[in-house]
Amino acid sequence: DADVTQTPRNRITKTGKRIMLECSQTKGHDRMYWYRQDPGLGLRLIYYSFDVKDINKGEISDGYSVSRQAQAKFSLSLESAIPNQTALYFCATSDPLRVTYNEQFFGPGTRLTVL
Amino acid sequence: EDQVTQSPEALRLQEGESSSLNCSYTVSGLRGLFWYRQDPGKGPEFLFTLYSAGEEKEKERLKATLTKKESFLHITAPKPEDSATYLCAASGAGSYQLTFGKGTKLSVIP
Repeated sequence: DADVTQTPRNRITKTGKRIMLECSQTKGHDRMYWYRQDPGLGLRLIYYSFDVKDINKGEISDGYSVSRQAQAKFSLSLESAIPNQTALYFCATSDPLRVTYNEQFFGPGTRLTVL
Repeated sequence: EDQVTQSPEALRLQEGESSSLNCSYTVSGLRGLFWYRQDPGKGPEFLFTLYSAGEEKEKERLKATLTKKESFLHITAPKPEDSATYLCAASGAGSYQLTFGKGTKLSVIP
């Protein structure tokens, strides 16, 4: 079984709709991240969480919100989706207790299309 | 502001033709330089972490090296299954975030 799972894997929605992307991990890592990937722009950080009570904005947080329901679960919400949020979204985790604490492990991604 | 620049954007090699991918970084107090492999439609797969200039790491046909300003991913005698996009990322002092480059798309032709 995959260590980091994301649901759904593909989603098509309409402008103005609220949508939630979910991430679960079995790696036991405290830190979790949400990125988006656009062609030609690379991976950009949306939000990150160091534990259930610690959530931080990343480079491009406008239009997004997150919820850390448990150590293993981190959800990303688009309150009112717009077409330029069409992208590939990745969840990632890392373990602060390891010497290599900043090595991040990625889920398979969610392809989101906003019409 | 931390910056990571990868070159070339795309590289096409014949099977067995060795080459190198470049990652230039501007990061204050480098804490780690990371290489990932990404296949189409999939999440990045961790390859290497390098921490200090002069460090080298190897995995099969891949070898990553690090200087004070750049990192190289050397590919020796590549095979078609090495075709992927290779991403470089850096983490600087006082930050637990990774700054990613835009990647190099490698195609290995049989």
